[in-house]
Amino acid sequence: GAVVSQHPSWVICKSGTSVKIECRSLDFQATTMFWYRQFPKQSLMLMATSNEGSKATYEQGVEKDKFLINHASLTLSTLTVTSAHPEDSSFYICSAPTLETQYFGPGTRLLVL
Amino acid sequence: AQSVTQLDSQVPVFEEAPVELRCNYSSSVSVYLFWYVQYPNQGLQLLLKYLSGSTLVKGINGFEAEFNKSQTSFHLRKPSVHISDTAEYFCAVSRWSGGGADGLTFGKGTHLIIQP
Repeated sequence: GAVVSQHPSWVICKSGTSVKIECRSLDFQATTMFWYRQFPKQSLMLMATSNEGSKATYEQGVEKDKFLINHASLTLSTLTVTSAHPEDSSFYICSAPTLETQYFGPGTRLLVL
Repeated sequence: AQSVTQLDSQVPVFEEAPVELRCNYSSSVSVYLFWYVQYPNQGLQLLLKYLSGSTLVKGINGFEAEFNKSQTSFHLRKPSVHISDTAEYFCAVSRWSGGGADGLTFGKGTHLIIQP
């Protein structure tokens, strides 16, 4: 089946720094990718839709200046958490759709100290 | 907008017993339905999906689900569970527009606990 990778798998950073997370579709092209956030023992919440060649669309309540999304190519989307704070600590998961379903990356665990 | 309700946050079941994980959804438009499984500290794995056609769908690891439009339900079942089925299970819905996919709306998840 289709494979989606994320890098890094986990990251620890100091408060105030920025962190970039990459999401790649390895064996198919994706003009759209999705970014989700999952707090411990909770469900996934859609944060934004990443669109190749155009601006991302954000869900209500998600700060677009804090969570910068760039869809640089048909196989790569990046999420940058700018000026990270402890409350941004979470599990970030991306997905890339095909015609019939969505494939999820393994997730990136972010811990902001 | 869509919403998904997973009625049970936790379901304990003895090994080799049958299990049903319940999922109800609401939407003003037609949706597509999914069940995903998440093992500890891992990403999501697709168990099965309903897009159209037969309302009984079979997935991986012996799971199946039945789409019931009148009851807006998509319950997940397995006739005999194994210890390795212990995980978090998420029901999700998506609109599928002509131009591509929408992001998924997830339920809160059901933790399936298999007891020996």
